[in-house]
Amino acid sequence: TQLLEQSPQFLSIQEGENLTVYCNSSSVFSSLQWYRQEPGEGPVLLVTVVTGGEVKKLKRLTFQFGDARKDSSLHITAAQPGDTGLYLCAGGRGNQFYFGTGTSLTVIP
Amino acid sequence: NAGVTQTPKFQVLKTGQSMTLQCAQDMNHNSMYWYRQDPGMGLRLIYYSASEGTTDKGEVPNGYNVSRLNKREFSLRLESAAPSQTSVYFCASRVLAGGNNEQFFGPGTRLTVL
Repeated sequence: TQLLEQSPQFLSIQEGENLTVYCNSSSVFSSLQWYRQEPGEGPVLLVTVVTGGEVKKLKRLTFQFGDARKDSSLHITAAQPGDTGLYLCAGGRGNQFYFGTGTSLTVIP
Repeated sequence: NAGVTQTPKFQVLKTGQSMTLQCAQDMNHNSMYWYRQDPGMGLRLIYYSASEGTTDKGEVPNGYNVSRLNKREFSLRLESAAPSQTSVYFCASRVLAGGNNEQFFGPGTRLTVL
């Protein structure tokens, strides 16, 4: 049973469009991380959020942690082909991290 | 700095064979992790080591053993490989600095069990 569910599982959009990826759980986490993974490589951290309601921006990417610290969203503005990849959320609890099911994003030029 | 390194990159085993996946980090991190990644499942934690000399089970430990050889190295052993262990295995190490809580991942080992 996955503690974290991501939606959508697959997303294919045109360059310049906006998109939102969701990461939901019924469990509370002390922190929530978003990673991006490219084929044949390990995940690379994009951001960590730790406070309920926290919003962080990384260029065209906006990350939000839910007020109850159970869910999170990633919004990309004006997507570019370089944004293509697998996006993973991960909830932290103590020394362990629980990963979501992943969202595979393809941005078509 | 090489970061997190893993060997081998690819491996094919027959059912029942054993092997050890090696992982090393040169960032002086205390915590190290082993995950497996399967399609549609994200990453699932197999074992972790919060500090040198300690190891703990994660979500899916059955069929695996680990050794934290020293602060740098954390190995994963499959004693009797099964087809269900076909997966991509990632090692990670963790820094806890200023609340960032970042994990650094290796490039992965792609294992096929026939």
